[in-house]
Amino acid sequence: RKEVEQDPGPFNVPEGATVAFNCTYSNSASQSFFWYRQDCRKEPKLLMSVYSSGNEDGRFTAQLNRASQYISLLIRDSKLSDSATYLCVLQSGGSYIPTFGRGTSLIVHP
Amino acid sequence: DAGVTQSPTHLIKTRGQHVTLRCSPISGHKSVSWYQQVLGQGPQFIFQYYEKEERGRGNFPDRFSARQFPNYSSELNVNALLLGDSALYLCASSYGQGGTGELFFGEGSRLTVL
Repeated sequence: RKEVEQDPGPFNVPEGATVAFNCTYSNSASQSFFWYRQDCRKEPKLLMSVYSSGNEDGRFTAQLNRASQYISLLIRDSKLSDSATYLCVLQSGGSYIPTFGRGTSLIVHP
Repeated sequence: DAGVTQSPTHLIKTRGQHVTLRCSPISGHKSVSWYQQVLGQGPQFIFQYYEKEERGRGNFPDRFSARQFPNYSSELNVNALLLGDSALYLCASSYGQGGTGELFFGEGSRLTVL
């Protein structure tokens, strides 16, 4: 089983839709979780950290489920500009090595 | 303020050659890490350096090496290039040693091996 698994998609949604991605992980020692966004042929950029209690930033909500070992990203009221690849990233306690998922591609169409 | 800068942005090499990629971190950042990203995959961790010391190494062969200089800039070297080394090589800087800190990526060096 891969350490981090994401559905590569693409998820094709109309503007205004709500879309959710999950990312499952196998290492129960994982302690830090993040969502990064990567536009086509660009570098990844931090979208948001994922906290145990869940967190929200505008239209974006991230949640962590330690029991089932997954994190999720919910995007409400999708915009055309949300079209990108969303990378799940985790780090284990005491490790300097971040592990990236392969990313989930989102395409928002008019 | 300047972000993470990488050079060269694009390069083409042939099998067996050697390549050196360079990275300058954000001013004040002491940690630099390197990643390989092939098409359709997420970045794969190669190395992390903090205060000029190697703090982490990914599952890459010994043909890959790196170093960090006193000004915190870094080089990634790849010897005896293979076709499979064709990828986008990303450098990221962060303030601390890693942990929960945000990674700031450069635009990458796109390497093609023929």
